[in-house]
Amino acid sequence: GAGVSQTPSNKVTEKGKYVELRCDPISGHTALYWYRQSLGQGPEFLIYFQGTGAADDSGLPNDRFFAVRPEGSVSTLKIQRTERGDSAVYLCASSLTRGAYNEQFFGPGTRLTVL
Amino acid sequence: AQSVAQPEDQVNVAEGNPLTVKCTYSVSGNPYLFWYVQYPNRGLQFLLKYITGDNLVKGSYGFEAEFNKSQTSFHLKKPSALVSDSALYFCAVRDDRTTDSWGKLQFGAGTQVVVTP
Repeated sequence: GAGVSQTPSNKVTEKGKYVELRCDPISGHTALYWYRQSLGQGPEFLIYFQGTGAADDSGLPNDRFFAVRPEGSVSTLKIQRTERGDSAVYLCASSLTRGAYNEQFFGPGTRLTVL
Repeated sequence: AQSVAQPEDQVNVAEGNPLTVKCTYSVSGNPYLFWYVQYPNRGLQFLLKYITGDNLVKGSYGFEAEFNKSQTSFHLKKPSALVSDSALYFCAVRDDRTTDSWGKLQFGAGTQVVVTP
């Protein structure tokens, strides 16, 4: 079946601009996660959703970052007033439920470059 | 708090030799442990997990991992490495006691595996 998809695969923007990154999870997966991976680092947790609600947003670095999942499926990560330090690969993952024992399935990521 | 360490930035091994990638963890409760592999310009692929039960866990592509509670380790192993195993490997942990962090996986920094022909 189809895996997790993310669009765009690459996004180049200028400092101060607004960007939206989209994630389409595996069908039937109720939990959805966003991570950020900087060069040479492991993924860092940003936020996760169970259904439509954000169950844990403790990883969002500041209030410029926001994510939504209005219908419990597709999610959008929104970044306002982008900064050069936001440049990274943004990974989305989904799992069947939010149970701690469930593995997460990752998308290919969106590479964000802020000039 | 949960944390995971991968002490080796890179592991070099000749094709056909055994491969081991090290991982140690720290949690307040019981650990749920995962290994992922990342190929260039691709997302992370799940390899295997330890939840409970047998300490030796078998996963995809001939990989296995051994859970050692006393040493708080979860090393990834493969008896005979292939050139195609060259990739970036990540260990990750969740703590079963911290329900408010059930969603987040804590990843290590990753270990680059290079398998030479």
